[in-house]
Amino acid sequence: DTGVSQDPRHKITKRGQNVTFRCDPISEHNRLYWYRQTLGQGPEFLTYFQNEAQLEKSRLLSDRFSAERPKGSFSTLEIQRTEQGDSAMYLCASSLSLGFSYNEQFFGPGTRLTVL
Amino acid sequence: DQQVKQNSPSLSVQEGRISILNCDYTNSMFDYFLWYKKYPAEGPTFLISISSIKDKNEDGRFTVFLNKSAKHLSLHIVPSQPGDSAVYFCAASAGGSNYKLTFGKGTLLTVNP
Repeated sequence: DTGVSQDPRHKITKRGQNVTFRCDPISEHNRLYWYRQTLGQGPEFLTYFQNEAQLEKSRLLSDRFSAERPKGSFSTLEIQRTEQGDSAMYLCASSLSLGFSYNEQFFGPGTRLTVL
Repeated sequence: DQQVKQNSPSLSVQEGRISILNCDYTNSMFDYFLWYKKYPAEGPTFLISISSIKDKNEDGRFTVFLNKSAKHLSLHIVPSQPGDSAVYFCAASAGGSNYKLTFGKGTLLTVNP
């Protein structure tokens, strides 16, 4: 399977705990994105990477959230001191973007986080 | 504020008929539009896109129409099949950078056999 993969698919944690999610993009894709989706809403942009550089972070990404993409390959999203409001589906996407060309983003299956 | 709006939470059509899903946007900087389909417990799957220099794009059973003056786009599925039953999201990006998609809330399409 050469699509975007995410691990774990489900995570249940207690409030106050730290969690980390992993995303493996399509291998030749240079851009990687994180989105969050809550019930009844569409995905909301969190952050994106061009290779290993994190180029934008949404205001939704509080100080408790941190994302990395070492060596421009896989990415991790960590949430520290989780709160019940963090419960959501966390989606990763990747694209091959060259200059200002238009390129669709391909999504992984998501990680569903439940904070008790 | 909701910059991309899908005002119909759900739509039900008969197999073989046309499905028309609508989307409105408010940000005049949007210049690239996409439709994604999502099944439960899966990530969104890309269906079709259109740039603002076009008013129509077709791919098999799927056609997207863009009316820039009305800030409106629609997805037509002809003929509709039961396997098309899913949530459909409209998304848009601005400025050609294509790094941030703004999504609508989605429309649940049910195609009845």
